[in-house]
Amino acid sequence: EKVMTQSPATLSVSPGERATLSCRASQSVSGNLAWYQQKPGQAPRLLIFGASTRATGIPARFSGSGSGTEFTLTISSLQSEDFAVYYCHQYNNWPNTFGQGTKLEIK
Amino acid sequence: QVQLVESGGGVVLPGGSLRLSCAASGFTFSNCGMHWVRQAPGNGLEWVAFIRYDGNNRYYAESVKGRFTISRDNSKNTLDMEMNSLRAEDTAVYYCAKDSGSSGSHFDYWGQGTLVTVSS
Repeated sequence: EKVMTQSPATLSVSPGERATLSCRASQSVSGNLAWYQQKPGQAPRLLIFGASTRATGIPARFSGSGSGTEFTLTISSLQSEDFAVYYCHQYNNWPNTFGQGTKLEIK
Repeated sequence: QVQLVESGGGVVLPGGSLRLSCAASGFTFSNCGMHWVRQAPGNGLEWVAFIRYDGNNRYYAESVKGRFTISRDNSKNTLDMEMNSLRAEDTAVYYCAKDSGSSGSHFDYWGQGTLVTVSS
C-alpha cells in the first residue's frame, strides 16, 4: 500500500497571502495524484487531477505540481472561502490511498 | 447535472449488517467506475471499495475485505454496498463517488454521504 504523507498538518495563513501544501508518496505514483477540498459538514470537492490539471470551475489561484513522489498544491492569494481541509489522493495503484489532510486556517 | 444520493445508513449493533445504496443521475452510469469512501468522525478520508463500469472488477481496502461487498445495477443506475460483521471502527460517513473514467481514476463527483454508527 502506498502511504501518502501531507505536511504540514495545520497551516495558518492570512487572507491574500500564498499557501503551499505538500504531499509525499512512499513510492512513485507517477502523475496519478488528485487534490480535494473539504469544508465542515460537506462532501469533498475535486480541485486538481493528474497532479496539475484544474477541475472544471476551479479558480486559477489553485495550482498543482509534482510527479513521482513529491507533490504541491499552491493557492496563490487566499480568499475567505479557501479555508478548509485539503486531501491528496493517489489513484495509481490499488488500494487507492489518501493523505491525512492539511487544515488551512485563518491567521 | 450529476447527482449522487446515498441512503441506508443508521445505527447497527456490532456484528450486524447494513446495506448502503447510492442513486446516480445526470451522467451515463454504465460507463463509469464507482467508489465508496468513508470518513470516521473527526478523521480523514479512507477509500473503501471500487467497482468497474461493467461490474467485472472490484477492489477493496484491506480493512473491509471479506466483510463488505460492492455491487451495481446499471439498469437502475444504482450502486450498493453490503456491509457484514460490522465493527465499532466502521462508524463513519460513507460517500459514494463517481470515477472520472471506467476502470479507476480520480473522483470527480461525490454524494453528500450517509452516516453509519456501529454501537451497542
